Amino acid sequence: DAKTTQPTSMDCAEGRAANLPCNHSTISGNEYVYWYRQIHSQGPQYIIHGLKNNETNEMASLIITEDRKSSTLILPHATLRDTAVYYCIVRVEWGAQKLVFGQGTRLTINP
Amino acid sequence: EPEVTQTPSHQVTQMGQEVILRCVPISNHLYFYWYRQILGQKVEFLVSFYNNEISEKSEIFDDQFSVERPDGSNFTLKIRSTKLEDSAMYFCASSPLQGISGNTIYFGEGSWLTVV
Repeated sequence: DAKTTQPTSMDCAEGRAANLPCNHSTISGNEYVYWYRQIHSQGPQYIIHGLKNNETNEMASLIITEDRKSSTLILPHATLRDTAVYYCIVRVEWGAQKLVFGQGTRLTINP
Repeated sequence: EPEVTQTPSHQVTQMGQEVILRCVPISNHLYFYWYRQILGQKVEFLVSFYNNEISEKSEIFDDQFSVERPDGSNFTLKIRSTKLEDSAMYFCASSPLQGISGNTIYFGEGSWLTVV
């Protein structure tokens, strides 16, 4: 699986949009970009994933650059409960392909 | 919403004892995984399981570890002779076959194992 690079930590004010960047310059054509988060020591929670088109669901939006070398996860109206470690992972979407977790971005939402 | 459930949530065991961690994956899922996270460290892959056999395992998953799907609903991780360094949070996960919902992996809330 391709490696990803994320900032170690970020802060965001409550109610504002949180924009979390991720670089994945060596991503291959059949690899998807996945985002998970981990609140405290809870199980990683799936947020969203995409291949090349921008995606949106009830939790977040995912913006992938045209060359697919980077992406941004957007939490449109961050709340205190969004404080967590966010992981950007690239993975092929077939078979029993594991997720490889890096250190992620520790996002702190401030009141 | 369907979820992966794990038991126990916390277990304390003496070094050298055997431990079995249990998981009920999401019902229509066919791929199963175990991950672990030592306190303050990254989430690490242990093993993936499909069609009643191991698909892939990491270097961590040595002979003291084993997995089993004893019936149609449970998926277990056995640690034969626990060591202090096995103290960690163990996460079970599952994913469906590729399809409309893709092959997204969903995690349980974890079983915290403390070896004393």
